[in-house]
Amino acid sequence: EADIYQTPRYLVIGTGKKITLECSQTMGHDKMYWYQQDPGMELHLIHYSYGVNSTEKGDLSSESTVSRIRTEHFPLTLESARPSHTSQYLCASRGTSGGSYEQYFGPGTRLTVT
Amino acid sequence: GQQVMQIPQYQHVQEGEDFTTYCNSSTTLSNIQWYKQRPGGHPVFLIQLVKSGEVKKQKRLTFQFGEAKKNSSLHITATQTTDVGTYFCAGKGTGGFKTIFGAGTRLFVKA
Repeated sequence: EADIYQTPRYLVIGTGKKITLECSQTMGHDKMYWYQQDPGMELHLIHYSYGVNSTEKGDLSSESTVSRIRTEHFPLTLESARPSHTSQYLCASRGTSGGSYEQYFGPGTRLTVT
Repeated sequence: GQQVMQIPQYQHVQEGEDFTTYCNSSTTLSNIQWYKQRPGGHPVFLIQLVKSGEVKKQKRLTFQFGEAKKNSSLHITATQTTDVGTYFCAGKGTGGFKTIFGAGTRLFVKA
């Protein structure tokens, strides 16, 4: 089992609220990613980080922001939640040694904005 | 930019039938990975292919990487109900490109 954790697992919140989705990994991985995925659909990369103080926007435009102050922690924040943000958010990480590009995924946060 | 296309989008099979999903990249890849996501779960890494023409097997699953390193396939022999889920390929382009996930192939297996 990969040591990558996401909280909360499920969240129902009203429109306009600010929320932070937590992601932590204990593997010492430099690279971390946030994906948005509707049930059974493709993964959309929304943010990624190659290390502390390094963050980049992904391929899918997102109104969320991220920070990477510590190697193990990569939180995602929505300043003002909207119903269009309803989706599953998956965090992933990978190491950079040994030639493997395997990404380890967390269990995901299922977000519903009412 | 780099694109990774995966077909088919959906596949319904009878248990015991074979299944194949195909992945094609617009650019040469340095490696390709395959993941499986069970319904309600998260993607789990299956394998990584690196060499041109590489073929790897995991029990009933056979993974191939094309000679030109621009395409790949996953073949499942004699599907079982436990094979149900979405299979994603993820290609890492050469020259510093990020890893790009395909749209996935959703496999349904009827008992």
